[in-house]
Amino acid sequence: GAVVSQHPSWVICKSGTSVKIECRSLDFQATTMFWYRQFPKQSLMLMATSNEGSKATYEQGVEKDKFLINHASLTLSTLTVTSAHPEDSSFYICSARDQGSLSYEQYFGPGTRLTVT
Amino acid sequence: DQQVKQNSPSLSVQEGRISILNCDYTNSMFDYFLWYKKYPAEGPTFLISISSIKDKNEDGRFTVFLNKSAKHLSLHIVPSQPGDSAVYFCAAGIQGAQKLVFGQGTRLTINP
Repeated sequence: GAVVSQHPSWVICKSGTSVKIECRSLDFQATTMFWYRQFPKQSLMLMATSNEGSKATYEQGVEKDKFLINHASLTLSTLTVTSAHPEDSSFYICSARDQGSLSYEQYFGPGTRLTVT
Repeated sequence: DQQVKQNSPSLSVQEGRISILNCDYTNSMFDYFLWYKKYPAEGPTFLISISSIKDKNEDGRFTVFLNKSAKHLSLHIVPSQPGDSAVYFCAAGIQGAQKLVFGQGTRLTINP
């Protein structure tokens, strides 16, 4: 149980275009999902907390107009990287908390490798 | 301000021996802690957690120790196996808040 999927697993796009990444909780409901970014050999950097039915909460320094987050249902959150630049190239990972569980652990998706050319 | 620190970027251990991964934190408000394992190009996998009301939690080969006075936790893996080779992240959170703060990770290599 507690499986989180991400789609696509990798994507290459041109500068200036937008890319949407989906995060789904497959066997549980998640009112809260999280989006992280990981640079090579570095830690997971929390970008934003996605709340079902309301606006996302962005971490300091993360541009909300560039990284659009939508959490329209209890099992799906999307991250759209708008007007992508090469510096947006990174590994993006989502996670979700099981709202029916007393545990505080987050379950992570497999990640999406974004390359902007 | 790095609230959760893993000061050893890498660790190499002989197969069958004990692996000890360390983590320090600065925020005394943290009251639960987790360890995750991560392979390249994959998302982290939850390993084990501990609440601040405990000082030890054990699950099979994995044991987490918490020293609140020192603001230090460690993950013990015994016996270490080649499949344990991965990057290990410790994370800390505050009950009632939602987000976790991650350390920088320690790359563990188990040598046959």
